[in-house]
Amino acid sequence: EPEVTQTPSHQVTQMGQEVILRCVPISNHLYFYWYRQILGQKVEFLVSFYNNEISEKSEIFDDQFSVERPDGSNFTLKIRSTKLEDSAMYFCASSEGAVINQPQHFGDGTRLSIL
Amino acid sequence: QKEVEQNSGPLSVPEGAIASLNCTYSDRGSQSFFWYRQYSGKSPELIMFIYSNGDKEDGRFTAQLNKASQYVSLLIRDSQPSDSATYLCAVLGSNDYKLSFGAGTTVTVRA
Repeated sequence: EPEVTQTPSHQVTQMGQEVILRCVPISNHLYFYWYRQILGQKVEFLVSFYNNEISEKSEIFDDQFSVERPDGSNFTLKIRSTKLEDSAMYFCASSEGAVINQPQHFGDGTRLSIL
Repeated sequence: QKEVEQNSGPLSVPEGAIASLNCTYSDRGSQSFFWYRQYSGKSPELIMFIYSNGDKEDGRFTAQLNKASQYVSLLIRDSQPSDSATYLCAVLGSNDYKLSFGAGTTVTVRA
C-alpha cells in the first residue's frame, strides 16, 4: 500500500538554527499538509498546500515557517530560526483531493528536538 | 474556534468486549469525520471515516454519525490487546482543508 514517507525520523537542532523536514507524499495525491503534535497534546494543523501554493495556514504557521514543493515528489517544511517551543512531532499528510470522501494519510513523522 | 471534544479516558475493556468512543464537534457545517488510531510515539493511522448520518461498518469497527446532535462515535467489537492505543477523532470543516483533532481517548484492552 502506498504511504507517505518522512525524513529524518529524528532531528536534533540548536535553538536559532534552521531546519528542513522532508516528506514524499503518496504519488497520485494532490493535497499536502503539515501537522505537529507537542508531547502529550493534540495534533495541530499547520498548513495545507495545493497546486504549488498554500491554501490554508494556522496561527502557528508564522513567518518563521515556510513550505515548498521543490520537485515532483518532495514536500518540505522549513523553520528558519528554531525556538525551544518548536520541539514536537511533525507529521506530513497527503490526500487525493479535498472532498469529503478523500481522507488524509499521515507519514510516520519527524521528531524535532530543539536544544 | 472549531472544537472537537472526546472522552479523555482511559477506557479499559476486557478482551472480547465492545469499546465505545464518543466525539462531539462545534462546527455545525462540518462534513467529514475521521477516526485515527495512534500508538504511543507513532503517527495517526486512519481507521475509517464517515460523512453521512447513520452507521458505517468496517470489520470490527463501526462509526456512527448524528449531524443534528453534532456527535460521532466509534465502536470496536471483539476488542483485542492490539487495539490498545489512543483513538483520535478528527473533523474536516465546512470551508477549509484542515483536520481539527480531539485530544484522543486512550483505550486499554485487558487480556
